[in-house]
Amino acid sequence: AQSVTQLGSHVSVSEGALVLLRCNYSSSVPPYLFWYVQYPNQGLQLLLKYTTGATLVKGINGFEAEFKKSETSFHLTKPSAHMSDAAEYFCAAGSSASKIIFGSGTRLSIRP
Amino acid sequence: DVKVTQSSRYLVKRTGEKVFLECVQDMDHENMFWYRQDPGLGLRLIYFSYDVKMKEKGDIPEGYSVSREKKERFSLILESASTNQTSMYLCASSPPAVGETEAFFGQGTRLTVV
Repeated sequence: AQSVTQLGSHVSVSEGALVLLRCNYSSSVPPYLFWYVQYPNQGLQLLLKYTTGATLVKGINGFEAEFKKSETSFHLTKPSAHMSDAAEYFCAAGSSASKIIFGSGTRLSIRP
Repeated sequence: DVKVTQSSRYLVKRTGEKVFLECVQDMDHENMFWYRQDPGLGLRLIYFSYDVKMKEKGDIPEGYSVSREKKERFSLILESASTNQTSMYLCASSPPAVGETEAFFGQGTRLTVV
């Protein structure tokens, strides 16, 4: 069965610092991978997705993620954190035959 | 702009009440989903529907039922609300082959059962 693991339920970085949110998936077949963001009291919004092709995927708000098959990872990065990036981030995986499976989420805090 | 609309942002219900959560999408999507979100547990799938009048159980269907009489509307029903169903409920929709394409989410309904 597929599963998605996000390392760290809470990550805190200083404004301007690198953001790194970790995600690993388990699957015998490379899945389709997503990162979603949830701002307080709102639904989820797609940041970026990997389906096929280039393994480095660029998303909105300066975020990017790299699919590494050998490490079964899809970590999310942003070179310079902004206060507006404070939110909860969810990694998710799906396959063509099934529903999307979500990780448990990582809350990102930005220190001034 | 694509839209998934949940009928209520906040609800307070009493234990034992029958509760209806409504969701409407305007994207003509075949698939619709109900998730429950709890701290530290992420999103857990309750039910999903891939066509009108079709439904399938997700990971945590106990205590819930759903109805999809029209393509654009997917309702979640709590037959007899209990305090352990206090949570954030998120509705989503997507085109077919959901694993390959993104899901679009509503704003969520925060339900408190007292």
